Amino acid sequence: EAEVAQSPRYKITEKSQAVAFWCDPISGHATLYWYRQILGQGPELLVQFQDESVVDDSQLPKDRFSAERLKGVDSTLKIQPAELGDSAMYLCASSLATGAGEAFFGQGTRLTVV
Amino acid sequence: KQEVTQIPAALSVPEGENLVLNCSFTDSAIYNLQWFRQDPGKGLTSLLLIQSSQREQTSGRLNASLDKSSGRSTLYIAASQPGDSATYLCAVAGKSTFGDGTTLTVKP
Repeated sequence: EAEVAQSPRYKITEKSQAVAFWCDPISGHATLYWYRQILGQGPELLVQFQDESVVDDSQLPKDRFSAERLKGVDSTLKIQPAELGDSAMYLCASSLATGAGEAFFGQGTRLTVV
Repeated sequence: KQEVTQIPAALSVPEGENLVLNCSFTDSAIYNLQWFRQDPGKGLTSLLLIQSSQREQTSGRLNASLDKSSGRSTLYIAASQPGDSATYLCAVAGKSTFGDGTTLTVKP
């Protein structure tokens, strides 16, 4: 069964260091999402890609966060420098098309900033 | 700005009971609404997707309804089991927006 792959599953990093997360969506899915989920809350959309183009990054803290999906397939989310408040679960999801299709999620990356 | 609210935040029921989880949203201009399940420390598992033109979807013991005009969706779980214990999240698409979820505990 096709899955969204994310790595690493867990990451501990020190404050002010750089950290990166990787996501490989389900094959053929044009839309890719990155979310941040704080414990006890629902996921918050950080960035949405349609193929290699960003269609929504209004909630992405652009002073420290960046995201890319260069060939319209896999994607990387980077934080530099990491802050204590960035500790959260980072989730990647994909769907066939923006808005209309069912979204499928990966297992997430649990980030702890110390 | 779309806002999604899920009530109650937590629910505890005895095994075998039928139950309803609620989801409300403020902007009816949505593409679809999706219900997810999340186990502690894990990603989200899709349960049901309702397109904006549909009124309900069913999968096994689950039934989800959508009323765009009132900005509401419900997830009905029949004959609950301890294995149903998890957090249930609803999300609306247009601009992807999630509620904070309902944490369900089904007691044996």
